[in-house]
Amino acid sequence: AQKITQTQPGMFVQEKEAVTLDCTYDTSDPSYGLFWYKQPSSGEMIFLIYQGSYDQQNATEGRYSLNFQKARKSANLVISASQLGDSAMYFCAMREGEDTGRRALTFGSGTRLQVQP
Amino acid sequence: EAQVTQNPRYLITVTGKKLTVTCSQNMNHEYMSWYRQDPGLGLRQIYYSMNVEVTDKGDVPEGYKVSRKEKRNFPLILESPSPNQTSLYFCASSLEAMAGTGNSPLHFGNGTRLTVT
Repeated sequence: AQKITQTQPGMFVQEKEAVTLDCTYDTSDPSYGLFWYKQPSSGEMIFLIYQGSYDQQNATEGRYSLNFQKARKSANLVISASQLGDSAMYFCAMREGEDTGRRALTFGSGTRLQVQP
Repeated sequence: EAQVTQNPRYLITVTGKKLTVTCSQNMNHEYMSWYRQDPGLGLRQIYYSMNVEVTDKGDVPEGYKVSRKEKRNFPLILESPSPNQTSLYFCASSLEAMAGTGNSPLHFGNGTRLTVT
């Protein structure tokens, strides 16, 4: 079974509007972390935001916020006031607890966001 | 400047010709890892290293070797490259060596696009 599922291969949004990128995850570990990364066309991976499984509040970083719904196992990324520079591929990732012994991030297949002027 | 440096950025080679992709980080991170990125599959872990002289297989290790003789360097070696290893490769590092809660994202290099003909 997929551990990280991103069901939107591509999304369009108008400049200055908000957009939500979906991510659901699957784990039986009570201790895990969820990450979002941005990959522009230049190829590098840029860390955006982190949410720990025990965090009581949703994470926010500037225009990025993570809508964490633990019971639903979802960790959607919300980008407010979209900018043209937000056009990129976005990856959701999960890091499971210490019993994995591997310290790996498991990535989703990504969502390509295009911001239109 | 804190960074992960991969070289080369682009590489075209032929089947069977041994190659090495270098990775170096200047952040004194214990943990380093190699990922490959393929369309529709997201990023998959090839090998990782928890510290000097400690390496282990990720999800897709076949056809690859790594070494960690010093903390800052983690080269990826393809002894006999094949066309199915054509991909975008990322090296990444992190401060924490163990999984679990904590805000310790992976720092990625800029990627190496490898084509094997």
